[in-house]
Amino acid sequence: NAGVTQTPKFQVLKTGQSMTLQCAQDMNHEYMSWYRQDPGMGLRLIHYSVGAGITDQGEVPNGYNVSRSTTEDFPLRLLSAAPSQTSVYFCASSYSAGDGYYGYTFGSGTRLTVV
Amino acid sequence: SQQGEEDPQALSIQEGENATMNCSYKTSINNLQWYRQNSGRGLVHLILIRSNEREKHSGRLRVTLDTSKKSSSLLITASRAADTASYFCATKSGGGADGLTFGKGTHLIIQP
Repeated sequence: NAGVTQTPKFQVLKTGQSMTLQCAQDMNHEYMSWYRQDPGMGLRLIHYSVGAGITDQGEVPNGYNVSRSTTEDFPLRLLSAAPSQTSVYFCASSYSAGDGYYGYTFGSGTRLTVV
Repeated sequence: SQQGEEDPQALSIQEGENATMNCSYKTSINNLQWYRQNSGRGLVHLILIRSNEREKHSGRLRVTLDTSKKSSSLLITASRAADTASYFCATKSGGGADGLTFGKGTHLIIQP
């Protein structure tokens, strides 16, 4: 099925470990982004990309790196995991519609626990 | 920081009734979107309303936007058990690519 695929679905890390959350979309969307969702906090933007080779920071970028080498993939790297990064991570993509990016398609999420 | 704030935080109604959720935001917007999230799942886009629009319909959904009051409402008519979910409003400021700003959501429970 077309859409946004995130892997893994669940992950437990020890403090200080690093890992990469994978995100892939097959809709040829230019725009891709990463959000984290914490209880009572809604979703907060971590990083986003408007195309291959172009990335930028969102509201809460510290502790995370991204790259966009292809249109399809937008991995999120945790450099040195901390308990504060325990969260559910969502990848989302969207198409460009002239005056902006609309109708985000979300992946099913990665539930990360840092112990 | 949160731009949109949904009200109420939780809502429980009987199946068949209408459900209304409200969203208030702080700064001017390009558009406002509503999303649904079922428990343990990703968000699903429901409807988008642009800043120059006042009302939009999609099936059983009706969204209104009042830019003078910086508020929006989502009405779900003839609710069904399958409508049980959290509903989020998200605002887009300007035409740039800096992402959506989400509220904390309204948790809707439809009682059979």
